[in-house]
Amino acid sequence: DIQMTQSPSSLSASVGDTVTITCRASQGVGNDLGWFQQKPGTAPKRLIYSASILQSGVPSRFSGSGSGTDFTLTISSLQPEDFATYYCLQHRTYPWTFGQGTKVEIK
Amino acid sequence: QVHLVQSGAEVKKPGASVIISCKTSGYAFTYFYMLWVRQAPGRGPECVGMINPATGATTYTQGFQGRVTMTRDKSTSTVYMELSSLRSEDTAVYYCARGTLADWGQGSMVTVSS
Repeated sequence: DIQMTQSPSSLSASVGDTVTITCRASQGVGNDLGWFQQKPGTAPKRLIYSASILQSGVPSRFSGSGSGTDFTLTISSLQPEDFATYYCLQHRTYPWTFGQGTKVEIK
Repeated sequence: QVHLVQSGAEVKKPGASVIISCKTSGYAFTYFYMLWVRQAPGRGPECVGMINPATGATTYTQGFQGRVTMTRDKSTSTVYMELSSLRSEDTAVYYCARGTLADWGQGSMVTVSS
């Protein structure tokens, strides 16, 4: 199975900050990677697909980059509604695997 | 608009089975794989398996093989997941999700407790 190592596991930030979350795959996944946001009690919501394509309706302050084994999710100018847990997912090879998650908390 | 509507919460005893349904609408049912993802309390999501609604072909994550069965009914655009020999570690929210997880059901809580 492909292991997805996500970091950091948590971070504290203020409204207006820029936040970066990274995900490293144990083997290459091309650009078959998505980023998801999850708030308590709700299903994950896809923000980014194909590593860098913004899902329709998602604010442009979210961006993704990378290919192969190293990927980044950047949130520019953090907003109050962005405090949540974020996961990466590789869907190159089954079983599709998620990162362990990054909880973004208010400083 | 795509909708995935799942069946309700279930409470089961260890060793029992549970069947969860996911009724879809708003898109061509046979065009997209459907995945089942579960999330235990306080944990990250994990893939249970996937089904090709066009053919019924399934792929299951190794840890669930032998205990999970995924099926579909093309006449009602519904997919089903049955998980058997339930144990306490199966307590989780189970989601159906379309394709590369662009759309998700609302989740079905399964509690396994004696």
